[in-house]
Parts: sequence; C-alpha cells; structure tokens
Amino acid sequence: NAGVTQTPKFRVLKTGQSMTLLCAQDMNHEYMYWYRQDPGMGLRLIHYSVGEGTTAKGEVPDGYNVSRLKKQNFLLGLESAAPSQTSVYFCASSYPAGVTEAFFGQGTRLTVV
Amino acid sequence: RKEVEQDPGPFNVPEGATVAFNCTYSNSASQSFFWYRQDCRKEPKLLMSVYSSGNEDGRFTAQLNRASQYISLLIRDSKLSDSATYLCVVNGITGGGNKLTFGTGTQLKVEL
Repeated sequence: NAGVTQTPKFRVLKTGQSMTLLCAQDMNHEYMYWYRQDPGMGLRLIHYSVGEGTTAKGEVPDGYNVSRLKKQNFLLGLESAAPSQTSVYFCASSYPAGVTEAFFGQGTRLTVV
Repeated sequence: RKEVEQDPGPFNVPEGATVAFNCTYSNSASQSFFWYRQDCRKEPKLLMSVYSSGNEDGRFTAQLNRASQYISLLIRDSKLSDSATYLCVVNGITGGGNKLTFGTGTQLKVEL
C-alpha cells in the first residue's frame, strides 16, 4: 500500500520557471492538503481540497495554484517560481471531519535560484 | 496571535528523564487535537490523538484542557530514539471544510 506519493522528490528551478508537483493517494481520502515547511515557520497550509473538483485557499496561497480533477490526485502549480518559494513541500490526505489522522507524503525539496 | 503556538525548544534532556511539552490554540471551536512526530528531513507522522479525558500510550501521555485551550504531551523515561520535533496539531471545521493547523514544533534532543 503506497499511501501518499509525491513527485518529484527534489527539484531545482530558475526564477520565472514553472512546474507542477503531483500528489497521489490510494486510501480513497476525501481531503487533500498542500503544506510548505520552512525553518522556524513550521508547516503552513497553501491550499486544500475537500473533494474532487473543489479547492480552497489556505494560509499562504499566493504564487500557487492547485487542481483536484481526480479524487486521488492533487496538483500544486508554480506558474513563475521565485526564490521565496524555496522550501520543502508536503502533501497530505485524510478522511473528513471528526477525529481524523492525516497521512503525509515524503516531501518535495524545491530550490529556486 | 498564531492559531497554534508551541515553545520551539530545543529541549536537551538526559536519557531516562521525563519531559513535557505544551501547546496553546486560539480557536475555541477546535474539535480534535493531535501530536505528530517529525524526524529530521522526514514527513510528519501521527504520534497520538488527544482526547478530553486524557490518554496514554506507553511512555507517552497526552492531555487536553479545553477551558484554557492548551494541549500537553508528557514523555517518561526518554530514549535516544525520542529525539525529534513534536508538532501540535489542531483540527477545526471552517467554512471551507476540515482544516489541520500545525504548530511550529518543539525540538527534543535526548542525550546520553
């Protein structure tokens, strides 16, 4: 059982380039999340989705777009990368509401130069 | 004020010590609470859920105080393998649905 899989695991981008991070889960979870983690800042929510075809903004959505065309996939896009987007990105998924654990992917280390 | 606040540490303790972490949250409507563990350069993983009555899992005890809006984690008989960052997580229902909010984490270093 793969759980939550993120691709790629590492990437170096030049300023202004675009890329898409893919998150796939095989647990039939309704909810999916994208977080970024920076030193001293903890995990900050970028965008999240409560179901196929729906997305919502989190705490730090600027500069990112997302899509949830299929229940099992949640894509995070950077249209024009900036050095401030250098971070570790984590995807997570969970069942909705109540006492529910979130499962994380292994993270994507992105450097924008 | 941050939604979830933790002392970042680091807490440096000798092996066998007892150590406690606290976490405060600002949204009184928050419904469920967790402690996650994160090892260096790895993804967070659930350590334990936190229930109103308090709960224990081996050497770990979690407690919730809704009136004061804080959560605690107690680790007894610390092991070297307990060295990690401990994240306090609060789950609240918003207009957009279920949302997990993480604290910045408390770093624990257990030493010989």
